[in-house]
Order: sequence, then C-alpha cells, then structure tokens
Amino acid sequence: DAGVIQSPRHEVTEMGQEVTLRCKPISGHDYLFWYRQTMMRGLELLIYFNNNVPIDDSGMPEDRFSAKMPNASFSTLKIQPSEPRDSAVYFCASSLAFGTNNQPQHFGDGTRLSIL
Amino acid sequence: AQKVTQAQTEISVVEKEDVTLDCVYETRDTTYYLFWYKQPPSGELVFLIRRNSFDEQNEISGRYSWNFQKSTSSFNFTITASQVVDSAVYFCALSEAAGNQFYFGTGTSLTVIP
Repeated sequence: DAGVIQSPRHEVTEMGQEVTLRCKPISGHDYLFWYRQTMMRGLELLIYFNNNVPIDDSGMPEDRFSAKMPNASFSTLKIQPSEPRDSAVYFCASSLAFGTNNQPQHFGDGTRLSIL
Repeated sequence: AQKVTQAQTEISVVEKEDVTLDCVYETRDTTYYLFWYKQPPSGELVFLIRRNSFDEQNEISGRYSWNFQKSTSSFNFTITASQVVDSAVYFCALSEAAGNQFYFGTGTSLTVIP
C-alpha cells in the first residue's frame, strides 16, 4: 500500500522566495495534517483538513503560510515570502478519523526545508 | 502546561538490555487516545500503537510492550532485549476526542550501544 507521499524531500532556497510543499495522502483517509518539526519547538501541528476543508489553522505561524487541499488526493503548504526561521522539517500526515474514534496518523517522509 | 511529558530526553543502553520510556499525559476528557511513534535516524515518523482511554489492558507486540495506567496518567513503553535498530527518537502523543489537537511529547532519544 502506498503511504503518504511528500515532495520534495529536500528544498534549499534563498529567503524571500516562494516555497511550495506537496502532499498526497493515503487513499480513503479523510483527514490531512501538516506539521513542522524543529529542535527548538518539536512537532507542531500547523493545520488540518477534513474532507478537503480546513478545520483548524490555529497553528499556522503567520500570514506568510497558507495551505490548500483542492481535492482528496493532494494538498500544498506554501510559504511566501520565506525566511531563514522557516527552516525545518515539514511533515504531512493522513488519518481515517480524528476526534471521535481517533485513528492513527500516518506520516510522510517529510520535506527538509532550508532557507538561506 | 505540557499535555504530554516525556521527562527522559536521552537514554543510552547496551544491546540486550531492557529499557522503559516514560510518558505522562494530562487531560480532563474522559475519552482520549494515546499513541507512540518512532522516528529513526532516517527521519520518518512510524506509528507504533494507539490506545483509547477505555482500554487499560497492557499490550505486547514482540519485544515491545506498553503499560497504560489511568491512575497515574501514564503510558509507558518498554523495549525488551534492545537492539541497535531500536535506536531512534520515540514520541508519545495524546488526542482528546472533543478537541482539535494532537499533542506530541518532546520525545526521548534512545541509543542502543552494540
């Protein structure tokens, strides 16, 4: 079975540039999550979707960050303009259920983002 | 306040030793879910186990076992006869049925020395 697929695996870009991270969830999973992992702050939930609709974006750090899910098999996380402090590993995860009857989240391999 | 506390930042053991990773959680919900994830040096996050708050039975899966105790709000993870491949960062996590958050602990970095 295909797991959660993220691209690119690594991204190095200069500050001020637009960065787009991509995610394909596991087929049939209704929930999609975006996380950021840094040494200082650990794993932070940025935003999650249910049936392609953003439910909670309270973890999005600022307006430079935006996420979309145009269909059930694709999501993007965009940073514009990027800053060096955005350097982190960004994970996408998907799940069959969240909240009531919470099911495990299955994670992609992550995108290691470096902003110079 | 931390919802999930993993007090052990780093642990080193010699191969074949048993090791227990501690996890203490905090919630007022009666329905909640607890998870353990493994993050090996390659960086991916691997799901290990899910437990709901109504199931306090301990679970064993091969060399892995989990001890869930609601009385102490703990969900500890034991690796028996550790192996070098067990070296990783292990995360405990909590999700409340009524909430919109998935709380990760800060992780315990386990090093198994050959």
